[in-house]
Amino acid sequence: AQSVTQLGSHVSVSEGALVLLRCNYSSSVPPYLFWYVQYPNQGLQLLLKYTTGATLVKGINGFEAEFKKSETSFHLTKPSAHMSDAAEYFCAVSLAPSNFGNEKLTFGTGTRLTIIP
Amino acid sequence: KAGVTQTPRYLIKTRGQQVTLSCSPISGHRSVSWYQQTPGQGLQFLFEYFSETQRNKGNFPGRFSGRQFSNSRSEMNVSTLELGDSALYLCASSPWGGNTEAFFGQGTRLTVV
Repeated sequence: AQSVTQLGSHVSVSEGALVLLRCNYSSSVPPYLFWYVQYPNQGLQLLLKYTTGATLVKGINGFEAEFKKSETSFHLTKPSAHMSDAAEYFCAVSLAPSNFGNEKLTFGTGTRLTIIP
Repeated sequence: KAGVTQTPRYLIKTRGQQVTLSCSPISGHRSVSWYQQTPGQGLQFLFEYFSETQRNKGNFPGRFSGRQFSNSRSEMNVSTLELGDSALYLCASSPWGGNTEAFFGQGTRLTVV
């Protein structure tokens, strides 16, 4: 079974400061990894994803994440926080899709990011 | 291109009733997955449909069911509602069922009183 652990349910950073949201995963086979953002009363928007290949993945809104197999981590970073980054962020893992069906996304519990003016 | 549309956006039901939620995927997408989001349990997978067939199912009781129509629109039904069914229900569509190309709708917020 796969699982995701997000360290820190709440993170506060000052505007312009580095954003670092932590995610560790557990998977018996090479995983697909995702970061999603959710704004209040909205659905999930994909920020970035890792499937195979380059371990440093760049996403939308200036976010990036690095897949580190040795540390089983996929931390999300952004060099300079903006007020509009305030939201809840979810890390998720899945297997690669198979011929038998889509592999479900297993989500972490989320990290609420607050930006301090 | 229109996104994933979920209707209704908000719903209030009484315990014991049943409810049907609808999800219209992006045009051309054939896979629809459903997730339940609650403060206590987080985001949990309900089931996935592809070409009118359920391909994958999460660990939810039989009160939760779904179906998919030939136009790929999907419905999920919850019978005998319980207070704990109050949640945001999200659906995601993708062309063939890969999570790498999945797009989520805005969700239906169900409140059971």
